[in-house]
Amino acid sequence: SQTIHQWPATLVQPVGSPLSLECTVEGTSNPNLYWYRQAAGRGLQLLFYSVGIGQISSEVPQNLSASRPQDRQFILSSKKLLLSDSGFYLCAWNYLGEKLFFGSGTQLSVL
Amino acid sequence: DQQVKQNSPSLSVQEGRISILNCDYTNSMFDYFLWYKKYPAEGPTFLISISSIKDKNEDGRFTVFLNKSAKHLSLHIVPSQPGDSAVYFCAASAIDDKIIFGKGTRLHILP
Repeated sequence: SQTIHQWPATLVQPVGSPLSLECTVEGTSNPNLYWYRQAAGRGLQLLFYSVGIGQISSEVPQNLSASRPQDRQFILSSKKLLLSDSGFYLCAWNYLGEKLFFGSGTQLSVL
Repeated sequence: DQQVKQNSPSLSVQEGRISILNCDYTNSMFDYFLWYKKYPAEGPTFLISISSIKDKNEDGRFTVFLNKSAKHLSLHIVPSQPGDSAVYFCAASAIDDKIIFGKGTRLHILP
């Protein structure tokens, strides 16, 4: 069966520090991968999605970037965090046209 | 531009009664609609979906209704239980495209 791993569960970082969140999927090949953010009052905002290795689409202009170095690995990064980057970050996967499966999320607090 | 709208940020329902969560969409190309449930500090979990060729889909206590002409869908939960207290997200996608979420509705089930 397919599983999705996301870590860390919580992270507290100072403003200006770098960020790296990792997500891996097991039990499937060539999935579509997604990064969402849940900020207060903003719902689930799609940040990035990827349909294959090295293929990244950015949905909103922001301070973050994403990379997909391997088929089942999706990384969310920032060189310098801003206060506004605080939120609950969710990785997800699916095959096109099908429902999404989410990871357990990372609560990021930028202080 | 918000393509999926959940206009009620919160809803309170007495235990045992029916909970009705509403969702509107603007993109007429959407053909697949989903509802997710989310507890704090956890990833969303899939509840139920419906394709545009149907107007109703039922799964146990959960029923989703789709009114394509009004671009409106709703989730009915009956009877409502304490464990149903959570944030519910409506989502939609066009054929083989990414899934877009609404801002969510927080459901409180009252004893």
